[in-house]
Amino acid sequence: TQLLEQSPQFLSIQEGENLTVYCNSSSVFSSLQWYRQEPGEGPVLLVTVVTGGEVKKLKRLTFQFGDARKDSSLHITAAQTGDTGLYLCAGAWTSGGSNYKLTFGKGTLLTVNP
Amino acid sequence: EAGVTQFPSHSVIEKGQTVTLRCDPISGHDNLYWYRRVMGKEIKFLLHFVKESKQDESGMPNNRFLAERTGGTYSTLKVQPAELEDSGVYFCASSVTWGAFFGQGTRLTVV
Repeated sequence: TQLLEQSPQFLSIQEGENLTVYCNSSSVFSSLQWYRQEPGEGPVLLVTVVTGGEVKKLKRLTFQFGDARKDSSLHITAAQTGDTGLYLCAGAWTSGGSNYKLTFGKGTLLTVNP
Repeated sequence: EAGVTQFPSHSVIEKGQTVTLRCDPISGHDNLYWYRRVMGKEIKFLLHFVKESKQDESGMPNNRFLAERTGGTYSTLKVQPAELEDSGVYFCASSVTWGAFFGQGTRLTVV
């Protein structure tokens, strides 16, 4: 059973600060997704990374996939109150069965204070 | 383009009753998944359809859960008979390849 560790679990910062969320596994991912979830809603896909060392940017969000494809990070620059939410990483491994089956981390609950 | 839609959004049933959840994936997405989050735990995989075929059902908790996807379009997940531990939020998702798009979920409460 593949495990996916996400940290920190909770993060409370002031508007304008930068932050980084981490996602780690002992196994090599075939792909990794980052999601954001609001209360009462389903997870919303932010990005998919599949190539080791890949960096993707989405406005103030920067996603990085580790060279060995065992870890990923999400960096937010100059956080805004609208960034508040639950950030989830989810990985897929090629291990038989479904190649697209996702294992989720427990999430990082981010609160950006005005 | 319509996203993944799930019905109902909430369901409260008594232990022993039957409940059927429905999911309409994004049009053209052959891959359809069911996931579940129980209180305090992370979202966990239940099963994966490719068109109408079950690709992987390794996450289904037991034989009280039955998923179908007739015709490769919408899917249903039936729980019969429901138990208290089945309470949680059931998510459906669909994709072309990687990067699944999720519905808003069905919150199931078994009392």
